[in-house]
Amino acid sequence: GDSVTQMEGPVTLSEEAFLTINCTYTATGYPSLFWYVQYPGEGLQLLLKATKADDKGSNKGFEATYRKETTSFHLEKGSVQVSDSAVYFCALNTGNQFYFGTGTSLTVIP
Amino acid sequence: NAGVTQTPKFQVLKTGQSMTLQCAQDMNHNSMYWYRQDPGMGLRLIYYSASEGTTDKGEVPNGYNVSRLNKREFSLRLESAAPSQTSVYFCASSQRGGRYEQFFGPGTRLTVL
Repeated sequence: GDSVTQMEGPVTLSEEAFLTINCTYTATGYPSLFWYVQYPGEGLQLLLKATKADDKGSNKGFEATYRKETTSFHLEKGSVQVSDSAVYFCALNTGNQFYFGTGTSLTVIP
Repeated sequence: NAGVTQTPKFQVLKTGQSMTLQCAQDMNHNSMYWYRQDPGMGLRLIYYSASEGTTDKGEVPNGYNVSRLNKREFSLRLESAAPSQTSVYFCASSQRGGRYEQFFGPGTRLTVL
């Protein structure tokens, strides 16, 4: 069935380090792909999305490219800040259902 | 726009008590969802409503009921709460179709003693 697998955490980085959080998916058809961010005590917020193959979503310095050939949508940021500390969720929408990964906790230390 | 609102924000129940979690959205979305979030488990879908007048079970529906009161509102009811239902509950909404994202409420933190 359809599913999302993302890199397990927790991830701890120093400020200004490069971030990659891996996400791969299994889906029939042509899903849309999303990254959500959850700050402590809050709900999930959309970070970026891509609706078709080779699309690149970007927001707040984060980027992810929809790679159909590798069924991946890895999240990257060139220089993380302390304020990026949060839990990140990869998700897909098949048109009938949404599927979420289990989340990756990121802590950025000064 | 308020987006997706949920009430209450926090609740403590005793085993066997009942309660209803309320959710409303003002974005004219067709689809609404209830999730629970537990440590290490990610989000698990409890019930969803693809459109007004319809509801369907998700991954973990046991012990819950839902009502799609109108296009704006989607409530989740626990008839007889159990400690295993201690969790954070999120409501979400979206437009129908594969291109659209979900919008989430701030969550309800429920503890069942």
